[in-house]
Amino acid sequence: KNEVEQSPQNLTAQEGEFITINCSYSVGISALHWLQQHPGGGIVSLFMLSSGKKKHGRLIATINIQEKHSSLHITASHPRDSAVYICAVRSGGTASKLTFGTGTRLQVTL
Amino acid sequence: GAVVSQHPSWVICKSGTSVKIECRSLDFQATTMFWYRQFPKQSLMLMATSNEGSKATYEQGVEKDKFLINHASLTLSTLTVTSAHPEDSSFYICSADQRVRGNEQFFGPGTRLTVL
Repeated sequence: KNEVEQSPQNLTAQEGEFITINCSYSVGISALHWLQQHPGGGIVSLFMLSSGKKKHGRLIATINIQEKHSSLHITASHPRDSAVYICAVRSGGTASKLTFGTGTRLQVTL
Repeated sequence: GAVVSQHPSWVICKSGTSVKIECRSLDFQATTMFWYRQFPKQSLMLMATSNEGSKATYEQGVEKDKFLINHASLTLSTLTVTSAHPEDSSFYICSADQRVRGNEQFFGPGTRLTVL
């Protein structure tokens, strides 16, 4: 079993739909990252959070430390949101080494 | 947000040659940089952790003599793939640790290496 599990693995949505991507982890963490990777390959850091909730534009990330679970929500999805979304956790202390989930491939259609 | 650049963005080389990839933090100092490798439709695999002024720490299974890492300054780390072979063809990504912002990591755009 991977230390970081994401679901779903693949997701197709129509433009405008509300999207949720889930991440569960089995280790103690100091922070959790949500990353976005477009087909060209470049990775963008969307959020880093250790508690509660963060919002940026149409994106919302939440984390429940007790349940070892985080969600990434996209409101009013758009085709440009099509990408792979990756959850990554940093375990303990100040070490920055990340453990990655396998990613969720999102396709938003018109 | 902080910017990390990589150069080159893509490279094609002949088998047996060496290729150097640069990773730069453009607007912040990064005491720690990370090098990842990614195969198609797979997640990132950490190759090594690079600390400024000291030897890199390699992950298990990564040949340190094959993948030479140098972190000569707080804004530059280089990865050299020595005597490249077709199986080294991959997408290489670096990230830099922004400690001022609580160890948030910023990723470079990646370098696609194709070895013929």
